[in-house]
Amino acid sequence: SAVISQKPSRDICQRGTSLTIQCQVDSQVTMMFWYRQQPGQSLTLIATANQGSEATYESGFVIDKFPISRPNLTFSTLTVSNMSPEDSSIYLCSAWTDMNTEAFFGQGTRLTVV
Amino acid sequence: GENVEQHPSTLSVQEGDSAVIKCTYSDSASNYFPWYKQELGKRPQLIIDIRSNVGEKKDQRIAVTLNKTAKHFSLHITETQPEDSAVYFCAASPTLTFGKGTMLLVSP
Repeated sequence: SAVISQKPSRDICQRGTSLTIQCQVDSQVTMMFWYRQQPGQSLTLIATANQGSEATYESGFVIDKFPISRPNLTFSTLTVSNMSPEDSSIYLCSAWTDMNTEAFFGQGTRLTVV
Repeated sequence: GENVEQHPSTLSVQEGDSAVIKCTYSDSASNYFPWYKQELGKRPQLIIDIRSNVGEKKDQRIAVTLNKTAKHFSLHITETQPEDSAVYFCAASPTLTFGKGTMLLVSP
């Protein structure tokens, strides 16, 4: 199993600013993912964070808006850039210790942009 | 990319009844299909998963079936209890793409 610490747990930000969310895993993992979840909605995959290379983004998400870092096998960050109220959501990181096994989730970051 | 469809969006049952949630996927290369339960304000938790080399898997009151030919898989919960009330998500690999979720309501 893996324990994921995600922070901050919540934040209220001014439009036009940026917020960086951090995820720390207590063990080395093969893959890390970032999701966005609107209240009452499903999890939408933003990107796969690749260790040592650029993240792989899903359709509708771009690096300039959501830059991602993954400097090692236990840590990743997601930045939400130039925020607008439409970016208000819960952001979740997830990690796979091995492919096709249980994916673990961080506790989420509740972001409100005002 | 992968597309996962999930039905129904809401399911209401009486305690003790069975509940079935169905998902379809589009990518024939997908080979891992987990089911997650999410309670309000909490992170998703894995309840059961199945790999493409298996047609059915059971864990106490929960079972999952997979039909690779038809590209669909289903979650079966028997003898439902009020504490089963939550939102359930199916997902498919290789990147975990989630269905839209099913809100299960179990009435005492």
